[in-house]
Amino acid sequence: GESVGLHLPTLSVQEGDNSIINCAYSNSASDYFIWYKQESGKGPQFIIDIRSNMDKRQGQRVTVLLNKTVKHLSLQIAATQPGDSAVYFCAEIAGYSTLTFGKGTMLLVSP
Amino acid sequence: DAGVIQSPRHEVTEMGQEVTLRCKPISGHDYLFWYRQTMMRGLELLIYFNNNVPIDDSGMPEDRFSAKMPNASFSTLKIQPSEPRDSAVYFCASSIEGVVGELFFGEGSRLTVL
Repeated sequence: GESVGLHLPTLSVQEGDNSIINCAYSNSASDYFIWYKQESGKGPQFIIDIRSNMDKRQGQRVTVLLNKTVKHLSLQIAATQPGDSAVYFCAEIAGYSTLTFGKGTMLLVSP
Repeated sequence: DAGVIQSPRHEVTEMGQEVTLRCKPISGHDYLFWYRQTMMRGLELLIYFNNNVPIDDSGMPEDRFSAKMPNASFSTLKIQPSEPRDSAVYFCASSIEGVVGELFFGEGSRLTVL
């Protein structure tokens, strides 16, 4: 989703649902992507990464999908839990440059 | 391991005062990063070090900001003089792999400049 001023895009789901958080990136030269989770009052925490030579990577309850054709990245969380409530950031790197973070999406999970 | 340790967690100061933020990276991590987070601009890289040497400081806003890493276990970010627009959460992160790979973030230092 796109950030609008001070308001983060928000995804609200029920506990147990699957969540899909989307991220559009602009740099076609980006070749490495990471998803971070940030809980309130804490620093970002690494979730999963993917290189541009892959289009899918799975972790524990999470899957990252990469579509280089449309420069789109998504994070799927299976069986979402209240503890998954946080802001999720996608980040990208092109070559040997540094990590550039997106604006973030807030995930709210209701019991 | 205690993780990346930052201090202070919160700082409130008046415009014009000097602010020093501190960071202890995870032992054995050769890379240290300073990020700033605001609602308007998100997470921005200010500077990063490799083996205590500054590698990229292109994100440092202006000469009022300076960062040092005198040894492998300590870094400071200094703002002098501080301005209200410097109000933000400042994060320190460390890593083994450098810019590619997992960054381990501290809990941040929330700075408010009045």
